[in-house]
Amino acid sequence: GQNIDQPTEMTATEGAIVQINCTYQTSGFNGLFWYQQHAGEAPTFLSYNVLDGLEEKGRFSSFLSRSKGYSYLLLKELQMKDSASYLCAVYTGGFKTIFGAGTRLFVKA
Amino acid sequence: EAQVTQNPRYLITVTGKKLTVTCSQNMNHEYMSWYRQDPGLGLRQIYYSMNVEVTDKGDVPEGYKVSRKEKRNFPLILESPSPNQTSLYFCASSSLGTDQFFGPGTRLTVL
Repeated sequence: GQNIDQPTEMTATEGAIVQINCTYQTSGFNGLFWYQQHAGEAPTFLSYNVLDGLEEKGRFSSFLSRSKGYSYLLLKELQMKDSASYLCAVYTGGFKTIFGAGTRLFVKA
Repeated sequence: EAQVTQNPRYLITVTGKKLTVTCSQNMNHEYMSWYRQDPGLGLRQIYYSMNVEVTDKGDVPEGYKVSRKEKRNFPLILESPSPNQTSLYFCASSSLGTDQFFGPGTRLTVL
């Protein structure tokens, strides 16, 4: 079967670092996406990992280990506006993308 | 401005009354897709289209229809809506194999 697991909720403090984990078991793998979604809004693209390793983009970094079926999103220097849901999604190929249920991140002052 | 538009944004309807949610993109993307989002379940793919006149079922296609007569448009049709189709719907588009641009969402309530 197809399964993507992420924590349901996380809380972190403004200015801190938070790591959101994602594990997956899918029938195919062509890449892993991270999206950000503010409440009531559309998801927006954050990162895409195809190969193992760390991809850094400003305050956001994403890591992938294909052999372990594992990824994480690292957010540094947290800001209040980072309070949102973070969606892990696997592009399995065949024009299909499977999404996890998302992790709601609360950033407190 | 590159965008995906959906209409209507909000809709309350009754069981059995046929409805169409429109989706249009201005980025000349080949790939378009419809998702529904429900609490605790994440985004689930309903239907997708690889190009004009080419569509296929996603994970939850029952009760829905789509068509792709033009590259820019990908309407979602509910022939006989039921309360279990109450959800938040997103249309998305992309070039093949790249990240998806999502529309603003349509919040549908079926009474």
